[in-house]
Amino acid sequence: LQLVESGGGVVQPGRSLRLSCAVSGLSVSVTEIHWVRQSPDKGLEWVTFLSYDGQLKDYAESVRGRFTISRDNFKSTVDLQANGLRPEDAGVYYCARSGDSGVLDKWGRGTRIIVSS
Amino acid sequence: SYVLSQPPSVSVAPGETATITCGGDNIGSYDVHWYQQSPGQAPVVVIFSNAVRPSGIPERFSGSRSWNTATLTISSAEAGDEADYYCQVWDRHSDHRAFGGGTKLTVL
Repeated sequence: LQLVESGGGVVQPGRSLRLSCAVSGLSVSVTEIHWVRQSPDKGLEWVTFLSYDGQLKDYAESVRGRFTISRDNFKSTVDLQANGLRPEDAGVYYCARSGDSGVLDKWGRGTRIIVSS
Repeated sequence: SYVLSQPPSVSVAPGETATITCGGDNIGSYDVHWYQQSPGQAPVVVIFSNAVRPSGIPERFSGSRSWNTATLTISSAEAGDEADYYCQVWDRHSDHRAFGGGTKLTVL
């Protein structure tokens, strides 16, 4: 199983970015994927998840209403649409697979968002 | 949301034992997982389900959990163990994942 994030970059406050997590080595349709972010020199913050069957999803309060998680089974990706970006949204965004008992047992290398005017 | 508390930093001499704690309300009813993160790298699981060590993780790493505290123990600490360590649980009520604030381990 391999996870590769892409789509990060520099964006002005209030604008949008679409991050993508490419899943290989296992079908994305049987994989529960989470997004976790890390602000510069800060700790890990859970952002959102999408269940393996695509039926369940939820968001951290800090991004609810602005971020949307979705999946493309054909492209084998799990995407994160980030709208209304704020300076506090800046950081490295990781996608990770959830294994049994809730452990995030496989992570990508991350993609960085910089929010600056 | 569920809150996990970790000490910001822990120091240990080479060859000694480092103990990193993780506190949370009724944490004894949760499965606790531990991650190691080196600078510029993604987190790696070192302990899952309280005390299970993934393949490839040295036996020097161990985990335990009581009713109010989870503990990561690193015995015979080495310079290569210097990293940030995070505890994490699965809040089944919300399906969210909660992380502790992280502990910076210094081996000096």
